[in-house]
Amino acid sequence: DQQVKQNSPSLSVQEGRISILNCDYTNSMFDYFLWYKKYPAEGPTFLISISSIKDKNEDGRFTVFLNKSAKHLSLHIVPSQPGDSAVYFCAASVAYKYIFGTGTRLKVLA
Amino acid sequence: SAVISQKPSRDICQRGTSLTIQCQVDSQVTMMFWYRQQPGQSLTLIATANQGSEATYESGFVIDKFPISRPNLTFSTLTVSNMSPEDSSIYLCSVVEGRGLFFGEGSRLTVL
Repeated sequence: DQQVKQNSPSLSVQEGRISILNCDYTNSMFDYFLWYKKYPAEGPTFLISISSIKDKNEDGRFTVFLNKSAKHLSLHIVPSQPGDSAVYFCAASVAYKYIFGTGTRLKVLA
Repeated sequence: SAVISQKPSRDICQRGTSLTIQCQVDSQVTMMFWYRQQPGQSLTLIATANQGSEATYESGFVIDKFPISRPNLTFSTLTVSNMSPEDSSIYLCSVVEGRGLFFGEGSRLTVL
């Protein structure tokens, strides 16, 4: 049972444009959500998070949106840069249990 | 956030052997986890490393195959025992700070 899903395995975006990565979850008990970026042969790097009491959190070029009624979150990267090319994982958490999505490979084209 | 160091960063191992991965954190942390990422897959929780007591394993993972030690609040080891090619993965140590989860650089194991 996949509790956290990232339905797009890959995404290509032109440099300077917006990248939108999506994540869906099924468990309404999740109360904290995180996004990570991962390069090959490295550990995941934390990017941004959001609590379930909020619907938006922004940090520089990264914004996370949470739609609790739809059980959906998204990560917006504006403007996208070639260095953003990596695999992005979303994660959902309750009681310090973290469940990860399957990842979306983002390629930013110069 | 805490600095998390893992050793080895990568290794190539023979079938049937065992390998121990070390995780060192630069500050005391209460919650520490071990994850695995198989090729092309998501991150899967292996176990919670409990300080001073036995680790808590997730479904599908057992102590005989993945023994874990956590002698203090800054250090843990994960052993992958009697390895087979299916154990070829990246093994990741992670710690909780606040509500965030932070990872080490990972240990990439290839089993031949």
